[in-house]
This record gives sequence, structure tokens and C-alpha cells, in this order.
Amino acid sequence: ETGVTQTPRHLVMGMTNKKSLKCEQHLGHNAMYWYKQSAKKPLELMFVYSLEERVENNSVPSRFSPECPNSSHLFLHLHTLQPEDSALYLCASSQDSKTGTYEQYFGPGTRLTVT
Amino acid sequence: GIQVEQSPPDLILQEGANSTLRCNFSDSVNNLQWFHQNPWGQLINLFYIPSGTKQNGRLSATTVATERYSLLYISSSQTTDSGVYFCQVDSSYKLIFGSGTRLLVRP
Repeated sequence: ETGVTQTPRHLVMGMTNKKSLKCEQHLGHNAMYWYKQSAKKPLELMFVYSLEERVENNSVPSRFSPECPNSSHLFLHLHTLQPEDSALYLCASSQDSKTGTYEQYFGPGTRLTVT
Repeated sequence: GIQVEQSPPDLILQEGANSTLRCNFSDSVNNLQWFHQNPWGQLINLFYIPSGTKQNGRLSATTVATERYSLLYISSSQTTDSGVYFCQVDSSYKLIFGSGTRLLVRP
């Protein structure tokens, strides 16, 4: 595998379900990101991890819980979601610096539908 | 926070035509990237360009950081150029995307 991979690619879940999205990067980067892309809205940054520490959390509801066990893996745990959480969830990675990020590379995304 | 505006929001071209997409941002930034999102949702890196000019085949980009804008040039457009083009700016982990320019290239 090369680049950034995400699984599953598609997910349908009920509002009472618990599921997890997985992201893996094979680029040797030290920072990983979760973004949300809803219809007719700009891409929104959800979480940033640098060297496995969360450095940014953009007021995301607690029903979204990120986990970064190492610099190559990132998870997004989902619990009691709402229909408005239906969106494309994108993972990205980059090399990090103290002043910000270098070039970001994105995975193919997980298209989530909450019923 | 930083505001990022892209123009035009929509663009229709005949194959072979040239175009310029613009990204304005409201404050100084550390980095800027241009992406192309294909119909399947994949974001493809085009340019990492915090300042200066870069070229890659039919595409080129220029960022004038002091004037807070970046331009993406597409020459001799092809149908495969269709999709949404986003600019993204970074100011110390404040990673902000513009709303995108939706491009349709007709054969």
C-alpha cells in the first residue's frame, strides 16, 4: 500500500450504532488529520495529531472521538451520531513543523450515511 | 479567523481553453496548497506554494503572500480537468479551505 488509505470506503449506520473509521499513512509523516466534507460546505478540519499528540480540536461534538496510537494510524470512533453527521470524512497526513504543516496528502475518504 | 475566498465559484470551459482560478485570504499564512477533487471525492495535490511560482505541465500557480492571494492557471484544458479546485491555507494549525471552484470542461 502506498500513500494514505482509509477504511471502510462506505458506511451506513444507525443513530444508536458505534463504529470506527480507520486511516493509515505509508509516507513516513508525523502528523495526521481528520476533515469533514458536507454537501455544500467547505472542508472542515476536525482534529490534528502531531507526533501522536492532539494539537487541534475544532469544537467537534463528543460523539466523535479520535485516537492516534502511533504516527502511521489514526482512528475516528463514532457513537450516537445524528443524520446531519452524514458526510465524506477525509484523512490526511503531512510532515509537521513548529510553524505549521508541510504538504498534506489525503486519503480517498469514507462516505458516511447516518440513518 | 482567516477567511479564504475562491473565485469564480463555477466555471464552464470548452476543451482547449485556458482559465485562471483565484484564492484570496484575509491574513498572513505559513503555507498554501491547491487541490483538485475528482468526482469520486479524492483530493489530489496540485501545488504546495506558500510563495512564488511553480509549474507542472499544463498547470501553474503563483502565490503573492504580501498581497494575500494565489492564482491557479490551467492551460489547454481537458475534460479530465473537470472537478472542484480548492485552495487551503495554513496558519499554525488553522487549516482553512476555500469553498472551491467547480470546473466543467466540455468536449
